[in-house]
Amino acid sequence: AQSVTQPDIHITVSEGASLELRCNYSYGATPYLFWYVQSPGQGLQLLLKYFSGDTLVQGIKGFEAEFKRSQSSFNLRKPSVHWSDAAEYFCAARKDAGGTSYGKLTFGQGTILTVHP
Amino acid sequence: KAGVTQTPRYLIKTRGQQVTLSCSPISGHRSVSWYQQTPGQGLQFLFEYFSETQRNKGNFPGRFSGRQFSNSRSEMNVSTLELGDSALYLCASSPGTSGGRTDTQYFGPGTRLTVL
Repeated sequence: AQSVTQPDIHITVSEGASLELRCNYSYGATPYLFWYVQSPGQGLQLLLKYFSGDTLVQGIKGFEAEFKRSQSSFNLRKPSVHWSDAAEYFCAARKDAGGTSYGKLTFGQGTILTVHP
Repeated sequence: KAGVTQTPRYLIKTRGQQVTLSCSPISGHRSVSWYQQTPGQGLQFLFEYFSETQRNKGNFPGRFSGRQFSNSRSEMNVSTLELGDSALYLCASSPGTSGGRTDTQYFGPGTRLTVL
């Protein structure tokens, strides 16, 4: 079955420290990949996406992600975390095909990021 | 452009009742998807509509239904509510062009449904 795994339920970092959130996917072929962020009581905001091409993707708010086909991973990184980055982060994937892929994102369980001052 | 809007933002219902949630997509977007978010199950896909047609659906019982209007606005309905239906219901819109292959979904703020 297709799945997305975020191994870390909760991560705590100090403000100014670097951040890496892990995401692994299990699909028959390389899916389209996304990272979203959700603040408490809010919807999901798109950080970045990967469809094809350059494996290092730049997003908003200083985030980037690297696609590694050999490791089936799409990890999110930020060189210096700000207190306002505290939120829950979701990795998501969608098949590159019609039919059962229409509109269907498969999400990881999310990683809660806490930022200490 | 205005983002995805969902109404109402909060709802409280009792078991056995039914509820209708509304979603207005980003102007020009023709695809609307719905998701249920709960602490236990996470984010789960309900269904997707494009040009008033349901193209895809997730693994939810028939009590969950939806529709899309000619202006791309969408509604979802849950009949005979159960306690387990308490969740944040998120709507996402996307252009729906290119067969949806490179679509990116943009989410609304959600409707928080509490079933008592």
